Amino acid sequence: DQQVKQNSPSLSVQEGRISILNCDYTNSMFDYFLWYKKYPAEGPTFLISISSIKDKNEDGRFTVFLNKSAKHLSLHIVPSQPGDSAVYFCAASSGEGGSEKLVFGKGTKLTVNP
Amino acid sequence: DGGITQSPKYLFRKEGQNVTLSCEQNLNHDAMYWYRQDPGQGLRLIYYSQIVNDFQKGDIAEGYSVSREKKESFPLTVTSAQKNPTAFYLCASSIGVYNEQFFGPGTRLTVL
Repeated sequence: DQQVKQNSPSLSVQEGRISILNCDYTNSMFDYFLWYKKYPAEGPTFLISISSIKDKNEDGRFTVFLNKSAKHLSLHIVPSQPGDSAVYFCAASSGEGGSEKLVFGKGTKLTVNP
Repeated sequence: DGGITQSPKYLFRKEGQNVTLSCEQNLNHDAMYWYRQDPGQGLRLIYYSQIVNDFQKGDIAEGYSVSREKKESFPLTVTSAQKNPTAFYLCASSIGVYNEQFFGPGTRLTVL
């Protein structure tokens, strides 16, 4: 049973426009959420995170929104740039007991067209 | 420069042979992880270790083995029991198991 779902396998946007990547989760114990970016044949790199005590976290062009009641989070990239083209993974964890590990979604491939 | 290294980047093996993938980190992180990525799939956890001399099975541990004799090192052995070993393998580390993980560059294993 997939606890973290990224229902859009791919997304294509025009350079300069907003990219919105979505992620849903089913485990209500998750309290920490992360986004990773991955280029082909490379390891993922950490992008941005959010704790469940917040509903928004911003870092430059990247903003993550968390809607706990809907068990939904989204990553907004504004403005989108061709270098943002990559696979984006959503991940979640529970800090309860300190023994949980990250659970990853299947990823969304973002293509930003010049 | 602190980071995670995985070697080699590409590895070819014959079917039926065991193979060991290397992962080393100098970030002084306690926790280390092995993931597998297949085309169209997310990252699936194979094994993780919270501390030296201790490790836990992840979601797809069958056919794999690990050791954690040193804090810096977490090698993964892909045994002949793994039915479909060809994949991209990623090692990661974190301060603790619920902190952000830092990934190595990955090893692409092809079993012929």
